[in-house]
Amino acid sequence: KQEVTQIPAALSVPEGENLVLNCSFTDSAIYNLQWFRQDPGKGLTSLLLIQSSQREQTSGRLNASLDKSSGRSTLYIAASQPGDSATYLCAVWRNNFNKFYFGSGTKLNVKP
Amino acid sequence: DVKVTQSSRYLVKRTGEKVFLECVQDMDHENMFWYRQDPGLGLRLIYFSYDVKMKEKGDIPEGYSVSREKKERFSLILESASTNQTSMYLCASSRLAGETQYFGPGTRLLVL
Repeated sequence: KQEVTQIPAALSVPEGENLVLNCSFTDSAIYNLQWFRQDPGKGLTSLLLIQSSQREQTSGRLNASLDKSSGRSTLYIAASQPGDSATYLCAVWRNNFNKFYFGSGTKLNVKP
Repeated sequence: DVKVTQSSRYLVKRTGEKVFLECVQDMDHENMFWYRQDPGLGLRLIYFSYDVKMKEKGDIPEGYSVSREKKERFSLILESASTNQTSMYLCASSRLAGETQYFGPGTRLLVL
């Protein structure tokens, strides 16, 4: 069974800090990994998707890396801003199971 | 931009009522998904559909059914609502299985 874990569950940082969010998964037979952002009471917004053959993806101040063999992904946020405050979820698409497995998320608070 | 809309943001229903939640996507996506999100339990897949009139059970299908008569529309039906179905319901779509999922804004359902 695939389990996806995100640590820490919550993180509070001052504005401007660079930060790393972690995601780990137990079964390395994944097709891809996706990072999402969720604002309170809203749906999920896709941030980055990394295919299993890739090592990283970048979008603006966001960089996501994938180490499939060790079952880990990180989301790096550069120069954090209060507008980055949200819950960040990772999800892995497992080969032959046709579904995403979601982590429980990291709630980020960036203080002005 | 992909747009996924859900028929209601908030719903209040009585125990035993039949409840319909509708989801519409405008990008001709093949795949559509229904999730529920609960504190401490994360996102759980209820049902998904790969094509018109096709449906597959997810992790927690009990008490739910779905309908996909047209490609752009995926409906979730609570046959007889119960209090333990109080939750946030999220619809998503993707072009193909395993590709980026795009989420609607969510429906917060309260069953009294």
